[in-house]
Amino acid sequence: GENVEQHPSTLSVQEGDSAVIKCTYSDSASNYFPWYKQELGKRPQLIIDIRSNVGEKKDQRIAVTLNKTAKHFSLHITETQPEDSAVYFCAACHGAGSYQLTFGKGTKLSVIP
Amino acid sequence: NAGVTQTPKFQVLKTGQSMTLQCAQDMNHNSMYWYRQDPGMGLRLIYYSASEGTTDKGEVPNGYNVSRLNKREFSLRLESAAPSQTSVYFCASTGSTDTQYFGPGTRLTVL
Repeated sequence: GENVEQHPSTLSVQEGDSAVIKCTYSDSASNYFPWYKQELGKRPQLIIDIRSNVGEKKDQRIAVTLNKTAKHFSLHITETQPEDSAVYFCAACHGAGSYQLTFGKGTKLSVIP
Repeated sequence: NAGVTQTPKFQVLKTGQSMTLQCAQDMNHNSMYWYRQDPGMGLRLIYYSASEGTTDKGEVPNGYNVSRLNKREFSLRLESAAPSQTSVYFCASTGSTDTQYFGPGTRLTVL
């Protein structure tokens, strides 16, 4: 089955700096890669996603890049703010029609004011 | 439009007790999922239902059963709870796109 590795497990940055989280996946058939943000005690919420026919996608301060050949994708957050502090999860979708997601183990991002 | 709802929010069980976690969605989604979340482990798929009338095992199905009662509802049952099933359980659903929408979660403790 699919295996998703996520690094780093924890990340601390100064407010205003950039943060980068990286994920690799094993199943070359995976074609959808979402990123979720989870605040303490809350549900995961989708913040951005990318499909395999696209190399990069940007939404304001958040961007995701995908390298299908190397089977890795990354989340980039620029101009970080304290409210960006949360746990971020990457995932890969490998089940055609059933949209099964395999998640990475998460990155705890702390933005220091 | 409530999205995905789950009951209960919290539950404490003794080893060997049974219980059912309820999930419902009002977005007319075809597919529904049950995940468990443990510290440092991310979210792991327990069971899913690609459409009404079908269910399939995910990564960690042992000790659980599911029922897709209708298009809206997907329940998760623990027949004989064990301490290893202490976790936070999330239900999710997806429609015609890949995006999964999560419920608020059920925090379960098994003593």
